[in-house]
Amino acid sequence: NAGVTQTPKFRILKIGQSMTLQCTQDMNHNYMYWYRQDPGMGLKLIYYSVGAGITDKGEVPNGYNVSRSTTEDFPLRLELAAPSQTSVYFCASKGGSSRTGELFFGEGSRLTVL
Amino acid sequence: TQLLEQSPQFLSIQEGENLTVYCNSSSVFSSLQWYRQEPGEGPVLLVTVVTGGEVKKLKRLTFQFGDARKDSSLHITAAQPGDTGLYLCAGPQNTGNQFYFGTGTSLTVIP
Repeated sequence: NAGVTQTPKFRILKIGQSMTLQCTQDMNHNYMYWYRQDPGMGLKLIYYSVGAGITDKGEVPNGYNVSRSTTEDFPLRLELAAPSQTSVYFCASKGGSSRTGELFFGEGSRLTVL
Repeated sequence: TQLLEQSPQFLSIQEGENLTVYCNSSSVFSSLQWYRQEPGEGPVLLVTVVTGGEVKKLKRLTFQFGDARKDSSLHITAAQPGDTGLYLCAGPQNTGNQFYFGTGTSLTVIP
């Protein structure tokens, strides 16, 4: 079972470059999330979506954009990459109740901005 | 400051010892979850607590949700090296659409 698939797994960017992190889930979940995680720390919410066509900002949205044209896909776009965006990015989807549903995560995308 | 603060941030103990990890917030949560994350992987759900004062046990792990639903704890009895990992509490806000994670507790169990 694929679950949540993220690509790429690793990427090095130069300052000012742009890129898109891809996220696809095959569980027909309505809720999808993007988090970033710095070494040894918790996850910070970047953007989330409650269904196709609906997205909203989380705790740390600056420098990022998202779209949700289908239930399956939730890409994260980085515009004008900065060293502060060096991090591991996780995409997650959630089924069931909005309050108690389990989050399923991808394997993460490690991004370095030099 | 983050919505969910965990303590301690780092914990290194000997195999067989007991430990408790705390998750605190100034906000009320309708439910809280605990996840465990191993290096290079995404977090995996351990438990969900939904009722104030609730206690759940999973083998050597005991989870408690505070009466006021603002805090939770994870107690591990007789820790084993396989318990090593990053432990994260998490919970929903704003009608459940937003899902926030705590600051994390990195546990190392030394054989």
